[in-house]
Amino acid sequence: EVELVESGGGLVQSGGSLRLSCAVFGFSLSNYDMDWVRQAPGKGLEWVSYIDSGGTTTHYADSVRGRFTISRDQAKKSLFLQMNSLRVEDTAIYYCARDGGRGEKPPIDYWGPGTMVIVSS
Amino acid sequence: DIQMTQSPSTLSASVGDRVTITCRASQSISNWLAWYQQKPGKAPKILIYKTSYLQSGVPSRFSGSGSGTEFTLTISSLQPDDFATYHCHQYNTYSSFGQGTKVEIK
Repeated sequence: EVELVESGGGLVQSGGSLRLSCAVFGFSLSNYDMDWVRQAPGKGLEWVSYIDSGGTTTHYADSVRGRFTISRDQAKKSLFLQMNSLRVEDTAIYYCARDGGRGEKPPIDYWGPGTMVIVSS
Repeated sequence: DIQMTQSPSTLSASVGDRVTITCRASQSISNWLAWYQQKPGKAPKILIYKTSYLQSGVPSRFSGSGSGTEFTLTISSLQPDDFATYHCHQYNTYSSFGQGTKVEIK
């Protein structure tokens, strides 16, 4: 059974750093592109970052480019999001998501339950 | 960046009603549009992808249509389990989401 489990969220001061992790189960991480998507309290979803199956191509939303870094470790079966220079507006639930790309399949078919990041001023 | 605008933001409806939610893209996204349902405290759940393809296990009362810049999600007969928030998602160029539509009980 496919499962994604995020960890690493918490309370941090503005300007601080956090590293989120996403452990995957039930599929081979090396076969899938992955995303991070966030949702601020009471708001809609916001795509944050993407990494391809080989870990060679990454993309970022304008709001986090230069501050966040996505990476993956096939051996640890984990996806990561290093978040630096955090701002109050980064406060959100962060979801790890399996990316199906474009084709005869969903663009995101599995989501983790999310991990909460709170940035205080 | 492609901006996605959903309407309405909130929709009040009754069980049995036909419900339509609209999503507009700031530029053409062909048919690379998905819809998700989200309930409080839970991660989103895929309903429809590539504009009109129903995800396995999703009831047939859900349907999607559109192309280019305008898309709709229709629930033909609203059921109690359908009261939730719905999000559109373009994946033509990177990804972006609409702001969500909350379907509440009238």
